[in-house]
This record gives sequence, C-alpha cells and structure tokens, in this order.
Amino acid sequence: DIQMTQSPSTLSASVGDRVTITCRASQSISSWLAWYQQKPGKAPKLLIYKASNLESGVPSRFSGSGSGTEFTLTISSLQPDDFATYYCQQYSNYRTFGQGTKVEIK
Amino acid sequence: EVQLVESGGGLVQPGGSLRLSCAASGFTFSSYGMNWVRQAPGKGLEWVSHISSSSSSIYYADSVKGRFTISRDNDKNSLFLQMDSLRDEDTAVYYCARLSTAAAEDYWGQGTLVTVSS
Repeated sequence: DIQMTQSPSTLSASVGDRVTITCRASQSISSWLAWYQQKPGKAPKLLIYKASNLESGVPSRFSGSGSGTEFTLTISSLQPDDFATYYCQQYSNYRTFGQGTKVEIK
Repeated sequence: EVQLVESGGGLVQPGGSLRLSCAASGFTFSSYGMNWVRQAPGKGLEWVSHISSSSSSIYYADSVKGRFTISRDNDKNSLFLQMDSLRDEDTAVYYCARLSTAAAEDYWGQGTLVTVSS
C-alpha cells in the first residue's frame, strides 16, 4: 500500500500569509496526486489534480507542484475563507489520503 | 448542476447490515466511475470502494473487502453500497464521489452518517 504523509499536521497563519503544505508518498506516484479542502461538516472540495492542475473555479492563489514522491500545496496569500483542513490524495494505486493539515487562524 | 445525494445511513448494531444509496443528477451518470469515501468522527478521509462506469472494474479497501459490495444502476442514475457484518470501526460519514476525466474526485455528495453501536 502507498502511504501518504502530510506536514505539518496543524499550521497557524494570518490573513495574507504565504502557506505551504507538504505531502510525501512512500513510493513514486508520478503526478497522480490531488489536493482537497474540507470545512467542518462539509464534503471535501477538489482544489488541484494531477499534482499541479487547478480545478475549475478554484482561486489562482492555490497552486500545486511536485512529482514522484514529494508534493506541495501553496496558498500565495491566505484569505479568511481558506481556514480549513487540507488533504492530499494519491490515485496512482487505488487511493490513499494524507492525514490532513488544519490551517488555523494565528 | 451536478448533484449527488446519499441516503440510507442510520444506527445499526454490530454484525448488522445497511444499504447506502447515492442518487446522481446533472450529468451522464453512465459515463463516470464512482467512489465511496468515508470519514470517521474527527478523523481523516478513507477511500472505501470504486466502481467503473460500466461496473466492469470494482475495487475495495482491505478494511471492507468481503463485507461491503458496491454496485450501480445506470438506468436509475444510482450508486449503492451494501454493508454487511458491520463493525464499530465502520462508524463514519459515507460520501459518494464522482471521478473526473482526470481521475480525481471532482464532485461529492453531502454524506450520510452510519453509526454502528449496540
């Protein structure tokens, strides 16, 4: 099974900050990686697919990069609506999610 | 507008069964693979099962293999998850999700809560 490790688990930041979340796969997954945002009581929302492709309707302050085993999600300027939990997901072999990164208000 | 609406959740005793449904609308259901994903209270996301558009390919997470059965009815735009031999650890919100052409889950339902408890 492919394991996905996200860091950090919790991130405290202020509006306007640049935020980076890292996801590491236990083996190469090429670019088969997605990022999701989830708010309490809501379903996850797709932000990024195939490592670096922005889903339609997602603000351009979100970006993704990486390939192989190392990936990052960057929010260029954190907005009030961005405080949420973020998950990476590999879909190279079935699916595995990272444990999540909660972005909190500093 | 794409919509996915889950139903069928509830309280069930350990060892019991439950059948979840997901009603799809706003897209050509028969053209898309579908997944079930669950989330235990206060925990992260866990993929449960996948079914291809024609039901020719079906996969399960090891944690549910042999106990859960995924199926679909393309004529009725519906996805199902038959859950047998339920355990306490199956307690979770269950989401159905559509697979985009890029193979990520691009639309999700609102979820249905399954509680396994005596």
